[in-house]
Amino acid sequence: GQNIDQPTEMTATEGAIVQINCTYQTSGFNGLFWYQQHAGEAPTFLSYNVLDGLEEKGRFSSFLSRSKGYSYLLLKELQMKDSASYLCAVRDPRDGGFKTIFGAGTRLFVKA
Amino acid sequence: DVKVTQSSRYLVKRTGEKVFLECVQDMDHENMFWYRQDPGLGLRLIYFSYDVKMKEKGDIPEGYSVSREKKERFSLILESASTNQTSMYLCASSFRQGHGYTFGSGTRLTVV
Repeated sequence: GQNIDQPTEMTATEGAIVQINCTYQTSGFNGLFWYQQHAGEAPTFLSYNVLDGLEEKGRFSSFLSRSKGYSYLLLKELQMKDSASYLCAVRDPRDGGFKTIFGAGTRLFVKA
Repeated sequence: DVKVTQSSRYLVKRTGEKVFLECVQDMDHENMFWYRQDPGLGLRLIYFSYDVKMKEKGDIPEGYSVSREKKERFSLILESASTNQTSMYLCASSFRQGHGYTFGSGTRLTVV
């Protein structure tokens, strides 16, 4: 089966660091994506991890452990504009590798 | 600025109507996708296409069909709209497998 778990909601303070976790149990694995989605808007691509380890991109970093079926998105120096949903998604290698399976998303609230 | 454009932002249709949702991308992407997004369920794949005139079923194709006559355009058709098809519909495209998606702004469809 295909299952992606992430917390439903999180709250953090402006200027702080927050870590959004994602665990997955899927029949296959070919990479993990993180997307950001502001309310009423389309998701936008943040990161893609294929190999284990940490990928840093400005204030955002994403970590992957394939053996543990685990990833996290780290947001540093939080800003109010970071209030959004964060979607974890796994690339499914079956059927030519075209499909991506999405988690339900973590809604992050950044407070002043 | 590269773009995925969905023809309507909001639609209200009656039960039993045939509904067309249009999506156009200007990035010369090979792959195009239709998802629906419902609270607590995340994005679920309806259909995708990896080439002109090619289409593949996703996880929830029942009640839907698609058309891809030109590379830049991918249409989703609800043959006979039902109330359980009330949802946010998101179109996406990607250059090829393993690349992040670019999403359209979404169409919020209400079936009454």
